[in-house]
Amino acid sequence: EVQLEDSGGGLVQPGGSLRLSCAASGVTFSSYDMSWVRQAPGKGLEWVSGISGSGYNTYYAASVQGRFTISRDNSKNTLYLQMNNLGVEDTAVYYCAKSTGTMSYFDYWGRGTLVTVSS
Amino acid sequence: EIVLTQSPATLSLSPGEGATLSCRASQSISSYLGWYQQKPGQAPRLLIYDTSNRATGIPARFSGSGSGTDFTLTISSLEPEDFAVYYCQHRSNWPITFGQGTRLEIK
Repeated sequence: EVQLEDSGGGLVQPGGSLRLSCAASGVTFSSYDMSWVRQAPGKGLEWVSGISGSGYNTYYAASVQGRFTISRDNSKNTLYLQMNNLGVEDTAVYYCAKSTGTMSYFDYWGRGTLVTVSS
Repeated sequence: EIVLTQSPATLSLSPGEGATLSCRASQSISSYLGWYQQKPGQAPRLLIYDTSNRATGIPARFSGSGSGTDFTLTISSLEPEDFAVYYCQHRSNWPITFGQGTRLEIK
């Protein structure tokens, strides 16, 4: 069974940095695109960033372009999201999600990790 | 960026009734529209992909239709476990976007 375990969230001050991780199991990790999707408290879903199976292609929402960096280590079956220059608007639960294909839907999700940006 | 607008924001129905949820795209997305269900404290669950295909394990009471800019998720006869928030999502181009959600609540 596919399992995604996201971690790395916490409390950070505005302007700070944080790195999220997502460990995958039960899947040929390198065969699938992956994404990060976030959800601010009481709000809807927002796609944040995606990466191809090889890691060669990356994509970002305009709201995080230039501040966040997605990457993956296929030898460790792990997805990352490096978040820099965080603002209060980045406060959310961050989910890692496995894509069904390239630029596609998300059939498996992590449980989410909470990032709180506050002074 | 393609904007997805869901309606209504909230739908109040009773178990056994049918539900119709709508999602409108700001431009044509062909059939590249999916639907998710999210319950409190849980991650979203994929229900429908490419307009009308049920994901693995999704009951037949869930169905999807539409094309171009107008799409519908229909739940034929509501079960107690169906009361949740539903989101649509397109995969037509980058960036992927979600609708703002429809809350399906018990009347």
